[in-house]
Amino acid sequence: DAKTTQPTSMDCAEGRAANLPCNHSTISGNEYVYWYRQIHSQGPQYIIHGLKNNETNEMASLIITEDRKSSTLILPHATLRDTAVYYCIVRVDYSTSGTYKYIFGTGTRLKVLA
Amino acid sequence: NAGVMQNPRHLVRRRGQEARLRCSPMKGHSHVYWYRQLPEEGLKFMVYLQKENIIDESGMPKERFSAEFPKEGPSILRIQQVVRGDSAAYFCASSPYPSGALFFGEGSRLTVL
Repeated sequence: DAKTTQPTSMDCAEGRAANLPCNHSTISGNEYVYWYRQIHSQGPQYIIHGLKNNETNEMASLIITEDRKSSTLILPHATLRDTAVYYCIVRVDYSTSGTYKYIFGTGTRLKVLA
Repeated sequence: NAGVMQNPRHLVRRRGQEARLRCSPMKGHSHVYWYRQLPEEGLKFMVYLQKENIIDESGMPKERFSAEFPKEGPSILRIQQVVRGDSAAYFCASSPYPSGALFFGEGSRLTVL
């Protein structure tokens, strides 16, 4: 019941920007978009999240379209260590009690090439 | 500031035995999520707990699986009478409040012989 679709895999040259797209056309008005990555079989690592506005932190930038139906994660200068599976997640609100569920899709396998 | 701690990191069980996986959330975190990951697949939500309460167990099989997060101590995911199909990596994540980002542990890898 994932609410996101992502390409299965992508390649990126080292030092170039990696742009990872995500479609979430059924997103609701107050549902946030989160990005995580998983390197090898380690625990997923939080990258960034946003609601409507574009966001930037030390790891990446998140661009969300005005209609919020899609977003793009940008790694500005990809390195070999950025090779991982990247998950785009919509945080689903429970109807009551202000609690939330995070549904992972199948993710994009990014390979950074030397 | 220790992260989310899971143990054991690796567990081997024979069919029919019980598996107990433990998760100690980050300090101050009272929300715990459990996910299962089969080889080459994404993470599947299993259960969401707050202290002493199960908020959502919709992703957990109705039989043989149970989870708890007591007032004191770690959260425990228990699998009774394990079968080969239970072989997977089980990840725990914690959050300080309902709307916070999740912080994941390194996972517990269960192998059923």
